[in-house]
Amino acid sequence: GDSVTQMEGPVTLSEEAFLTINCTYTATGYPSLFWYVQYPGEGLQLLLKATKADDKGSNKGFEATYRKETTSFHLEKGSVQVSDSAVYFCALSGEGFKTIFGAGTRLFVKA
Amino acid sequence: NAGVTQTPKFQVLKTGQSMTLQCAQDMNHEYMSWYRQDPGMGLRLIHYSVGAGITDQGEVPNGYNVSRSTTEDFPLRLLSAAPSQTSVYFCASSYRPITGELFFGEGSRLTVL
Repeated sequence: GDSVTQMEGPVTLSEEAFLTINCTYTATGYPSLFWYVQYPGEGLQLLLKATKADDKGSNKGFEATYRKETTSFHLEKGSVQVSDSAVYFCALSGEGFKTIFGAGTRLFVKA
Repeated sequence: NAGVTQTPKFQVLKTGQSMTLQCAQDMNHEYMSWYRQDPGMGLRLIHYSVGAGITDQGEVPNGYNVSRSTTEDFPLRLLSAAPSQTSVYFCASSYRPITGELFFGEGSRLTVL
């Protein structure tokens, strides 16, 4: 079945550092790919998405490109802020109307 | 704009008790789903619905029932609670399966003693 694998955390960075969180997937057909963010005590909210190969999703300085050849959707940000501290989830939605999530990566950003 | 509303936010049950987690959305979304979130395991899909009267199982459906009598509501029933069902439960809805993003409620934290 479909699956998502993302890098384990926690990831600890200093403010203004470059961020990469790796995400790879296994799926049949042509899934849509998402990154969600969860702040403490809250539900998940969409950060960005891409619905077809080579699409780039972007929002709030975060970017991710849908790479079908490497089955990847890595999340990047050029300069992180303390306010970016959260848990980040990679997810895919494909056949069968199911959205499958990775285990999540916790990010800590130090001032 | 309320979005997705879950009740209760916190609940403590004893083993063997039953209860219903309520979920309502006011966005006229056809697709709704329930997830549980456990440490280190991300979110796992319990049940989902693509419209009123239609439900289907996700990854971890055992011990849970759902129904979808209206577009707005999608309650999750625990039939006989077990300690393994201690978790945070999230309800989500979407305007379009596959390409549309999920809109999440704030979660319901359940403890089974």
